[in-house]
Amino acid sequence: AQTVTQSQPEMSVQEAETVTLSCTYDTSESDYYLFWYKQPPSRQMILVIRQEAYKQQNATENRFSVNFQKAAKSFSLKISDSQLGDAAMYFCAYRSGETGFQKLVFGTGTRLLVSP
Amino acid sequence: DAGITQSPRYKITETGRQVTLMCHQTWSHSYMFWYRQDLGHGLRLIYYSAAADITDKGEVPDGYVVSRSKTENFPLTLESATRSQTSVYFCASKDRAYEQYFGPGTRLTVT
Repeated sequence: AQTVTQSQPEMSVQEAETVTLSCTYDTSESDYYLFWYKQPPSRQMILVIRQEAYKQQNATENRFSVNFQKAAKSFSLKISDSQLGDAAMYFCAYRSGETGFQKLVFGTGTRLLVSP
Repeated sequence: DAGITQSPRYKITETGRQVTLMCHQTWSHSYMFWYRQDLGHGLRLIYYSAAADITDKGEVPDGYVVSRSKTENFPLTLESATRSQTSVYFCASKDRAYEQYFGPGTRLTVT
């Protein structure tokens, strides 16, 4: 079974600084997808970024980028120019690329605090 | 409104009572999911459905029942609520071309 591990329960960053959230995963599959979801205090789960395992290029979405190390099974999220609105829980998630397999496996989350 | 909705948003019930959490989506997505979120566990899959009348167990299905008679609805029933089922419940839907969209969540407290 696939597992996702987030070893940082909480991280802090100052506004305008850069922070990196860590995620490791375990799988024997070669085809899969990785995600970062943001959960602000409103509780809404928001997809931040997606990475396909077959792509070597790291995904980016504006101030959010990932460092995908397939051999090391590592998938970190870098937030640049942090803003107060980035304060939230961040979840790393895995999905198999197997046809018809659409379930997500989540890590336990990292709470990001942003100070002025 | 288009999207995915959950009702109620908050629910307090007593141990042993039956309670149903509703989930409705307007996209006609094939897949629907129920997760529970607990501190220290992230989100864990309870049940999912690939289409109407097709459901399957997830990681933590015990004590829960689901049905999917219509594509747009996926209710989750706790047949006899226990305190360990106090949690925040999220419904999500997905189609092949998109990733999962989550509802706003239901906070359930079992006293």
